[in-house]
Formats: sequence, C-alpha cells, structure tokens
Amino acid sequence: QSVLTQPPSASGTPGQRVTISCSGSSSNIGSNYVYWYQQLPGTAPKLLIYRNNQRPSGVPDRFSGSKSGTSASLAISGLRSEDEADYYCAAWDDSLSGFWVFGGGTKLTVL
Amino acid sequence: EVQLVESGGVVVQPGGSLRLSCAASGFTFDDYAMHWVRQAPGKGLEWVSLISWDGGSTYYADSVKGRFTISRDNSKNSLYLQMNSLRAEDTALYYCAKDFDSRGDDAFDIWGQGTMVTVSS
Repeated sequence: QSVLTQPPSASGTPGQRVTISCSGSSSNIGSNYVYWYQQLPGTAPKLLIYRNNQRPSGVPDRFSGSKSGTSASLAISGLRSEDEADYYCAAWDDSLSGFWVFGGGTKLTVL
Repeated sequence: EVQLVESGGVVVQPGGSLRLSCAASGFTFDDYAMHWVRQAPGKGLEWVSLISWDGGSTYYADSVKGRFTISRDNSKNSLYLQMNSLRAEDTALYYCAKDFDSRGDDAFDIWGQGTMVTVSS
C-alpha cells in the first residue's frame, strides 16, 4: 500500500486531455512539493514535473501539474501514442525523520 | 554527457550481503545529494535511501533501515549501497538517481539504467 494514492489505470484517445490524480496527507503533499515521473516501457523513470508545476527543459508543454491541499494532478493534453507509459507522483514526507514517498503508479493507455 | 551507471547486481541467497555501486559522470558529483530507488518486478517505484552531498546526512525507508547502508566517495564520483541480511522482498531493479540539490529534498533529475538484485535460494 503506497503512501500516495493514484488510480492504477487511465486511458484516452489521441488528441484528448487526460488527468491523473495523486492523493496524500498533510505530512507529504500538504506541506511539500509534488513531483511527477514518466516511465516508458522497459526504461528508467524520467522527471516530468518538479515543484508542483515546473517542467524540465525538453518536456513538452502538453504536460502540466497542479496541487491543491493534500492532492495533486498531472494533466496531459493533446494525447499522443508515445505518452503511453507509467506515471508516478512523489513527495517528501515530514513525518518521523523524513523520507520520500511515491504513488503506486498509473498506467496510461492511449486507445 | 550526464550519466549514472549502476553495477553490482547479482543473484544472492537470503541472508546474504551485496554492495551496489553507481558511477557518476558529466556533473560535479559532490554538489548534489544522491538516492537509491528500487522497483520490484512488475511493481511500482520505492524510494530506498538518500545521502547528502557530503555524506553527512543519510535517510532510509523503514523497509531497509538497519540492513542497508548508503555511502559515497566524492573523490571517485561514486555512490554505494551496502545491503545486508537480504530478503526475498528485496528482489528488485535498483536505480541510483541524482537530486536537484545538495540536501536531497528536491527532484530526482537524472536516473541510471538500474542493476538487478535477485534474492533467491
């Protein structure tokens, strides 16, 4: 059971907009930044969104992140076949001595 | 080119020990905190451990605390994970990842390709 909760799957057709949610608590999302990682099949994860809504250089502006309270969302607009991947949210958790937590991951299928 | 290359993954018996290494290149290694993240076969990502830029601060997931030790040698641009008392549930692909900053509480912006650890008799 992951500390951050994501839907196990999501889907959309090319060109559509899809969103993936990530729910946490006051000790993680509620008080720290949220990060999103994309893992294409058979490859290492890649940073997609940092500090809630910032895109690293090279990430298309079709990808956007937002945060409200203890929840966050990743939105992908203009869905493309190459977006089919697993997506993970992550945040630092302030409880105990501190540690990083990931969501369980969402498998995005482009129909 | 910024690169992380992990090594040391093998098949090991339950209760055994193993040391993973991660060689960094293309950036100033001792400016940044580093992490180990693992992924069991067919499962999601699990953060394992973090070490600050100078090795002065380390953090561990509860699942490995007391069994795993993270360390770094800045003179060799290398990160390590000493794994003791290995269990079947430690079977996973282990990634090293670079942090955005020196403390380890920001993005994991560079990832290696991973090294596979299998714990089995």
